[in-house]
Amino acid sequence: TQLLEQSPQFLSIQEGENLTVYCNSSSVFSSLQWYRQEPGEGPVLLVTVVTGGEVKKLKRLTFQFGDARKDSSLHITAAQTGDTGLYLCAGARKRTSYGKLTFGQGTILTVHP
Amino acid sequence: DAGVIQSPRHEVTEMGQEVTLRCKPISGHDYLFWYRQTMMRGLELLIYFNNNVPIDDSGMPEDRFSAKMPNASFSTLKIQPSEPRDSAVYFCASSLGDRPSGYGYTFGSGTRLTVV
Repeated sequence: TQLLEQSPQFLSIQEGENLTVYCNSSSVFSSLQWYRQEPGEGPVLLVTVVTGGEVKKLKRLTFQFGDARKDSSLHITAAQTGDTGLYLCAGARKRTSYGKLTFGQGTILTVHP
Repeated sequence: DAGVIQSPRHEVTEMGQEVTLRCKPISGHDYLFWYRQTMMRGLELLIYFNNNVPIDDSGMPEDRFSAKMPNASFSTLKIQPSEPRDSAVYFCASSLGDRPSGYGYTFGSGTRLTVV
């Protein structure tokens, strides 16, 4: 059983379209992060959200943490080909357990020119 | 900062052979993690260290896997003997664990292991 469920698993869109990726769980997380991974490289941290209801923006990317801290979403506006990659959400269960992140299975995004 | 450095980038070995993967974390980071990534299972935590001490090795598949961190700047993951099902990309990551607003991992570029 996957602790963090991401949807959709695959997303193929045209440049300029908007998209949303979801990360859901039945468990409460003290913080949640989003990473992007490109082929042949390790995941790279995009953002950390720690407060229920928090919204963070990173240029065309908007991240939201659910009020109950069980879910999160990533919205990309006007997608570009450079946004192509694997998007991973990852959650920390305990505020004092800094060490252990649980990762979702990921969403593979392909943006076509 | 050179980031987290892993070696080798690619390793092809025969079943039964010993494999050693290496990692140099970011200087000053007090947590080090070993992950394995496959298409079927995604990113799985194998083991992590805090201040060079193993904290949680519950993700290590079996006794064939072992990890050490002899000092703050070096860690190894060893598989002996290797099996084809060990084929995966192995990532090392490090983090500074005491940020009050949350923390993030810095990943290395990974080692792609193929056991034939």
